[in-house]
Amino acid sequence: KNEVEQSPQNLTAQEGEFITINCSYSVGISALHWLQQHPGGGIVSLFMLSSGKKKHGRLIATINIQEKHSSLHITASHPRDSAVYICAVRSNTGNQFYFGTGTSLTVIP
Amino acid sequence: DVKVTQSSRYLVKRTGEKVFLECVQDMDHENMFWYRQDPGLGLRLIYFSYDVKMKEKGDIPEGYSVSREKKERFSLILESASTNQTSMYLCASSLDHYNEQFFGPGTRLTVL
Repeated sequence: KNEVEQSPQNLTAQEGEFITINCSYSVGISALHWLQQHPGGGIVSLFMLSSGKKKHGRLIATINIQEKHSSLHITASHPRDSAVYICAVRSNTGNQFYFGTGTSLTVIP
Repeated sequence: DVKVTQSSRYLVKRTGEKVFLECVQDMDHENMFWYRQDPGLGLRLIYFSYDVKMKEKGDIPEGYSVSREKKERFSLILESASTNQTSMYLCASSLDHYNEQFFGPGTRLTVL
């Protein structure tokens, strides 16, 4: 049983499309993270949020605590957005982090 | 900028060898973590440390040990490497439990 589920697992989009990646979790959390991992590269933190919505450039992250769901949106997608996007949550009952298996995004020019 | 560095990007070892993976962070972070990442399984926590000489087991500690003698350095040790420990190993650090984690570039370990 995975505490964090992401969908879709793989996503291919045309450049310029609006993209949504979903994350659902089953534990109580104190924070949710969206991470980005480029092929062969390390992991970069995009957002950390515990409520509402955050925006950074073309990236928007939202969270609904009651529904235990978060979405990552990318507007006007670009080939350089091609990466694996990982959702992670920090449990509110200890120091545990739970990670989704990632969504592999490919943006075609 | 926070910098987390790992001793090697790629490593090839033989079954039974003792393997040391080192991680160093330069931002005086309290917490440090070791993960492994495998296709289809995502990131799994091996060990973490919230202070010097302190360590806690994660989800998959078997076959691994860790050492944190100094605040900035967290080492992962494979006492006797096995082929099922072939993986990408990622180190991370965070200021404390309430802040985001910063990741190193990863070490791709192959055990033959």
